[in-house]
Amino acid sequence: QVQLVESGGGLVKPGGSLRLSCAASGFTFSDYYMSWIRQAPGKGLEWVSYISTSTTIYYADSVKGRFTISRDNAKNSLYLQMNSLRPEDTAVYFCARDGWDAYYFDYWGQGTLVTVSS
Amino acid sequence: EIVLTQSPGTLSLSPGERATLSCRASQSVSRNFLAWYQQKSGQAPRLLIYDASSRATGIPDRFSGSASGTDFTLTINRLEPEDFAVYYCQQYGSSPWTFGQGTNVEIK
Repeated sequence: QVQLVESGGGLVKPGGSLRLSCAASGFTFSDYYMSWIRQAPGKGLEWVSYISTSTTIYYADSVKGRFTISRDNAKNSLYLQMNSLRPEDTAVYFCARDGWDAYYFDYWGQGTLVTVSS
Repeated sequence: EIVLTQSPGTLSLSPGERATLSCRASQSVSRNFLAWYQQKSGQAPRLLIYDASSRATGIPDRFSGSASGTDFTLTINRLEPEDFAVYYCQQYGSSPWTFGQGTNVEIK
């Protein structure tokens, strides 16, 4: 069965950095687009970043220039390097698999909480 | 950026009733590329509907989606106790992919 397990969240000071990881299993990771979506406490969902099976990458304007998405198909892993963190980046970050050749999200991890506070 | 507006914000219904949730896009959504998700408290979202009207794997047929222009609807027939949750729409017709603000379906 498809499993996505995020890790790497925690408490970080404004201006700090954090690297999130997502371990995938139960499917051929290299065949699928992947995304990160976040949810601030008590708020709705916000798409953050997308990576294709090749080199296409997109970012939300709110994180462009600060966050970097990457993947390692040999390790079945997705990453999100987050730099210059701001209090408004505080959220649960979900890793999600995109639908086959599409951009909806058919499987989600349970999320990892990132708190940016001094 | 396409803005999705969901209504109502909260829907108070009893088990067995029908729920009708609306999602209006600020502009045309390419190829009706719109999905619906269900999220229960403390859990990750779950995909219900994609391409406006296709049910995801394992989703009961009491869930259905439809589209008319820039208006999208999620209908839940005969609400079950496990259906009380927050529902989000998402468009993936053009980047950035965007979500609506959610509709909370609560027990009356």
